[in-house]
Amino acid sequence: EVQLLESGGGLIQPGGSLRLSCVGSGFTFSNHAMAWVRQAPGKGLEWVSNIRGGGDLIEYADSVKGRFTISRDNSENTLYLQMSSLRVEDTAVYYCAKGYGSQTRFDSWGQGTLVTVSS
Amino acid sequence: DIQMTQSPSSLSASVGDGVTITCRTSQSINIYLNWYQQKPGKAPKLLIYAASSLQSGVPSRFSGSGSGTDFTLSISSLQPEDFATYYCQQYDTAPTFGQGTRLEIK
Repeated sequence: EVQLLESGGGLIQPGGSLRLSCVGSGFTFSNHAMAWVRQAPGKGLEWVSNIRGGGDLIEYADSVKGRFTISRDNSENTLYLQMSSLRVEDTAVYYCAKGYGSQTRFDSWGQGTLVTVSS
Repeated sequence: DIQMTQSPSSLSASVGDGVTITCRTSQSINIYLNWYQQKPGKAPKLLIYAASSLQSGVPSRFSGSGSGTDFTLSISSLQPEDFATYYCQQYDTAPTFGQGTRLEIK
């Protein structure tokens, strides 16, 4: 069974930094693209970033480009999202999602971790 | 970026009804379109991929169609567990989601 477990969320002041982690199990982690998708309170889904299995292709939404960095450690089956220069509008539940091979077809999701940016 | 327009934004229906949700993209995406279901407080669940392929384990009352810029998600004979919010997502380029359709019980 595929499982994705996020951690690292919390309350952070504007301008601060935070690192999210997502540990995957039940599948060959290095064979699949992984992504972060967020959802602000009461709002819809917003894709944030994705990274291919080998880390060779990385994409970011314009809203986070230059502030967020996605990475992965395939030896630890772990996906990361380093977030810096955080803004109030970054407040959201952040989901880790598994792609299907290299495709950004998200067939499994974590339970989400809440990031609250507030002074 | 490819823009997604989902309609309607909300919909009321009764158990046993059939409903259709549409998704239009700002440029052609071939068939690179997925549909997700999300219930309150839960992660999204993939229902349909590549416009019309049913994800494993998803009931056959869900179906998808379309190509190019116009897509539909249809649910036949609504069940109580189908009342949720539905999102389309394109993956021809960097992913984008539609704004969602909230399906409510009439």
